[in-house]
Amino acid sequence: KNQVEQSPQSLIILEGKNCTLQCNYTVSPFSNLRWYKQDTGRGPVSLTIMTFSENTKSNGRYTATLDADTKQSSLHITASQLSDSASYICVVRDGATNKLIFGTGTLLAVQP
Amino acid sequence: DAGITQSPRYKITETGRQVTLMCHQTWSHSYMFWYRQDLGHGLRLIYYSAAADITDKGEVPDGYVVSRSKTENFPLTLESATRSQTSVYFCASRGPTYNEQFFGPGTRLTVL
Repeated sequence: KNQVEQSPQSLIILEGKNCTLQCNYTVSPFSNLRWYKQDTGRGPVSLTIMTFSENTKSNGRYTATLDADTKQSSLHITASQLSDSASYICVVRDGATNKLIFGTGTLLAVQP
Repeated sequence: DAGITQSPRYKITETGRQVTLMCHQTWSHSYMFWYRQDLGHGLRLIYYSAAADITDKGEVPDGYVVSRSKTENFPLTLESATRSQTSVYFCASRGPTYNEQFFGPGTRLTVL
């Protein structure tokens, strides 16, 4: 069964610190992987998207990595800010059906 | 304003009542989607539409009806609301680049 699992479920860090969120998937065939940021009470907003041939992609203080061999991705946040407090969702596109498989998200709280 | 909007943002209704959630996008995207988001679950696809007058079921379609007479609108109707349909509903449209989905702000629906 195609699944996307994220860890940890929740995370608390101090402002200015770095953190890394993990995403493991079993989706096959793989098309692409996206990371979304969802602020409380808002819809998800895309941070990065990576295809099979891309190992890393950055968007400001956000850097996503992809290991298609081990079917793992990570999202690294550098020098966290209070505004980074949100849920981060990993989403994998099924290359056969073209449908998106969503993880349940990691809830990040950045404290001053 | 350009983008994707949903209305109402909050709705409380009673079991058995009919409820319609509205979604409007200004990009003229062909594809539109309805998802529900519940604790412990990733976003789950209810229905999607490839174009006006073309709709198809997603992962959890039971109890929902959609229509799409115009490209820009994609309403979701709960014909007889049940408590299990209490959720946050997100509408999305798909752009041409990497098939990225753009999400609306969501509608929080409570069925009493």
